[in-house]
Amino acid sequence: GAVVSQHPSWVICKSGTSVKIECRSLDFQATTMFWYRQFPKQSLMLMATSNEGSKATYEQGVEKDKFLINHASLTLSTLTVTSAHPEDSSFYICSARAPLAGVSTDTQYFGPGTRLTVL
Amino acid sequence: AQSVTQLDSHVSVSEGTPVLLRCNYSSSYSPSLFWYVQHPNKGLQLLLKYTSAATLVKGINGFEAEFKKSETSFHLTKPSAHMSDAAEYFCVVSEARFGNEKLTFGTGTRLTIIP
Repeated sequence: GAVVSQHPSWVICKSGTSVKIECRSLDFQATTMFWYRQFPKQSLMLMATSNEGSKATYEQGVEKDKFLINHASLTLSTLTVTSAHPEDSSFYICSARAPLAGVSTDTQYFGPGTRLTVL
Repeated sequence: AQSVTQLDSHVSVSEGTPVLLRCNYSSSYSPSLFWYVQHPNKGLQLLLKYTSAATLVKGINGFEAEFKKSETSFHLTKPSAHMSDAAEYFCVVSEARFGNEKLTFGTGTRLTIIP
């Protein structure tokens, strides 16, 4: 259980175009999803926290107009990189929280990631 | 504020020998601690987690970690390394306050297994 998928697994696009990445929780409902960015040989950096039905909360330094996040349902969140540029090339990973009744700390389950290359 | 330090960026061990990946944390509250593994070009897989229950936590694939509050450590161990253990390992700390959970990742330790 607690499987998270991402689509696409990799994408190459031209500079100036927009790219949408989907994150789905396959066998559970996720009230909260998270988007991370990972540069080569570096750790994961949280970009934003996405709650179903409300606006995402972005971390400091992350441009909300560039990285549009939509969490329209309990099983789907999308990240759209608008007007992508080569410096946006990275590995984008989502995670979903599977809340446990009566427990305040929940485990995040991670998707397999999406590698974005902007030419 | 919470933080986590992985003391070794790279660890190499021979197949069949013990593995020790070190992690120290800092937290203002009672933290939850996790170890995740990432194989090349893959997402993260949860190895184990500590959430204020037993201090010795057993995970998948023979890994375990011990929470030591006095040392603020959460080192990951395995008695006998296997070639398939070669991957990047991340120590993660979480403080769940007011229903908000934010994970803070260590910089990772790359584990190499020597045949």
